[in-house]
Amino acid sequence: NAGVTQTPKFQVLKTGQSMTLQCAQDMNHEYMSWYRQDPGMGLRLIHYSVGAGITDQGEVPNGYNVSRSTTEDFPLRLLSAAPSQTSVYFCASTPPGQNTEAFFGQGTRLTVV
Amino acid sequence: DQQVKQNSPSLSVQEGRISILNCDYTNSMFDYFLWYKKYPAEGPTFLISISSIKDKNEDGRFTVFLNKSAKHLSLHIVPSQPGDSAVYFCAASVGQGGSEKLVFGKGTKLTVNP
Repeated sequence: NAGVTQTPKFQVLKTGQSMTLQCAQDMNHEYMSWYRQDPGMGLRLIHYSVGAGITDQGEVPNGYNVSRSTTEDFPLRLLSAAPSQTSVYFCASTPPGQNTEAFFGQGTRLTVV
Repeated sequence: DQQVKQNSPSLSVQEGRISILNCDYTNSMFDYFLWYKKYPAEGPTFLISISSIKDKNEDGRFTVFLNKSAKHLSLHIVPSQPGDSAVYFCAASVGQGGSEKLVFGKGTKLTVNP
């Protein structure tokens, strides 16, 4: 099993450009989430999904869109990148139910210039 | 307002000694707590967790203690090994205990010296 796979690993964008960060999991987990990590900070929740067709906002959703058309995939879209979105982005998947842990991908390091 | 706090940005210990990492939280609705370990350029990996109905959970060299009245938990690593050097994040689950919505502390960088 590959677990949680994120692509790309690195990306540089110009201000105003758009892009999609890809996340796929092969563990058949219902729940998926996106976090960002900034220097000296913990991970902060951007958006999450509890199943195909269901998404909701986390702590820092502004500037990001998500959709969940399949159980396996949960892409994160930046419609108009800003320097404040320079960060490391982590995707996670979680089995449903109580007291389960989230499994994280290796991250995407995004720089917006 | 930070709901999960790790007040020590760094900790250095000698190999073979005990490492104690601390975490405080403010939201009394949290009912599931997790510790993650993170190496540079990698994603966080799950280490150990504890439900709010317990006060201790042990897994090999790792033990997590929960003091609900003080809203405090700690991770003990005994004995510490150089491979334990990493950033450790405390996380808490909101509401029903599902880990799709975790609230993280800022992390503590542990260095274990040979």
